Amino acid sequence: DARVTQTPRHKVTEMGQEVTMRCQPILGHNTVFWYRQTMMQGLELLAYFRNRAPLDDSGMPKDRFSAEMPDATLATLKIQPSEPRDSAVYFCASGLVHGRRGNQPQHFGDGTRLSIL
Amino acid sequence: AQKITQTQPGMFVQEKEAVTLDCTYDTSDQSYGLFWYKQPSSGEMIFLIYQGSYDEQNATEGRYSLNFQKARKSANLVISASQLGDSAMYFCAMRMDTGRRALTFGSGTRLQVQP
Repeated sequence: DARVTQTPRHKVTEMGQEVTMRCQPILGHNTVFWYRQTMMQGLELLAYFRNRAPLDDSGMPKDRFSAEMPDATLATLKIQPSEPRDSAVYFCASGLVHGRRGNQPQHFGDGTRLSIL
Repeated sequence: AQKITQTQPGMFVQEKEAVTLDCTYDTSDQSYGLFWYKQPSSGEMIFLIYQGSYDEQNATEGRYSLNFQKARKSANLVISASQLGDSAMYFCAMRMDTGRRALTFGSGTRLQVQP
């Protein structure tokens, strides 16, 4: 089965350091999403790409977070500088959206568990 | 804005019994999709089942079925014949068919299946 691949699976670093998370979406999917999961906020959208173009990053702190899709096989989420409150699980998901009906599910990667000390 | 409400933080069920996990939603849109995902303790998010707002029949996928009541804005997940491996967090989510295609998630229900 095709899978969304995320790296790294775990990351522990000190505050102030740059963190880069990578995602390989499923081949053929035209949408990529970054979600963050915390105990307090649950699952929330950070950024959303369609055909590699950023469509929505309203959930992302702009001063320290950035999301890009340099090509169709790679999406990145960067945090610089990182802070302890960024500690969370970050999920990448990809999906196929065409036409009006959205019956295609988003498929999630296994997540990056990030701890900022 | 869309909102998903899951009112059961935790549920217990005996092995081999059926269980219903509640989900209500709020939207003014007419065209949308409802999804259920399972998150085991290992952390991955596993897609279970989808229901479109215009689908006349309730969705079923193996032991999973979705009890969709559009007028009441509810989309409850029914798991039949529970298994120990069903113990996990379950999230209800909604996505609009136009505009923003991201998922809006509920807070989840932790299901524990007891032998």
